[in-house]
Amino acid sequence: EVQLVESGGGLVKPGGSLRLSCAASGFTFSSYSMNWVRQAPGKGLEWVSSISSSSSYIYYADSVKGRFTISRDNAKNSLYLQMNSLRAEDTAVYYCARGRTEGLDAFDIWGQGTMVTVSS
Amino acid sequence: EIVLTQSPATLSLSPGERATLSCGASQSVSSSYLAWYQQKPGLAPRLLIYDASSRATGIPDRFSGSGSGTDFTLTISRLEPEDFAVYYCQQYGSSPVTFGQGTRLEIK
Repeated sequence: EVQLVESGGGLVKPGGSLRLSCAASGFTFSSYSMNWVRQAPGKGLEWVSSISSSSSYIYYADSVKGRFTISRDNAKNSLYLQMNSLRAEDTAVYYCARGRTEGLDAFDIWGQGTMVTVSS
Repeated sequence: EIVLTQSPATLSLSPGERATLSCGASQSVSSSYLAWYQQKPGLAPRLLIYDASSRATGIPDRFSGSGSGTDFTLTISRLEPEDFAVYYCQQYGSSPVTFGQGTRLEIK
């Protein structure tokens, strides 16, 4: 079964750091781009970051550029999001999602999401 | 940045009716790299349509997408009870990837 499972969410104070992980199974992870999308409570979807299959191309939303770092380990079938200098407005459910191909593409498989709360 | 504007914000229809959802882009979407997603409360989004008009795996043929350039449409030919949800369009032709604000499809 094709599956993505996020972990690492939780409560963190403003200015703190958190590292999200996404474990992939059921498909050849190294052949697909991967993405992070977030959704603040009661709000719409916001794209956060994308990484190509071989990590050659990495993109960030302006709202997280310089604070968040996306990475992947194809040997471990895992995607990561290192989040530093967290702000209250980063509070959201964070989803990892698979791109349909090795580059920027539609997101065809989604994880269940992990909640990140930034509050003092 | 390509801004996507979805209309209407809320659409109230009855099961069996036809739904037409619109997505307008502030500039032309490269190669019609536009997708539609369905999201139900408490769940992750589900890909319905990619490349403006291609149905994703397992999506019923009552869902169809059309359009190019700056104007795109998602049509649900005959609404089933399970189709009432929030729908988002997304462009992935250029970075930053952007989503529309969503259309809530509610039961009338």
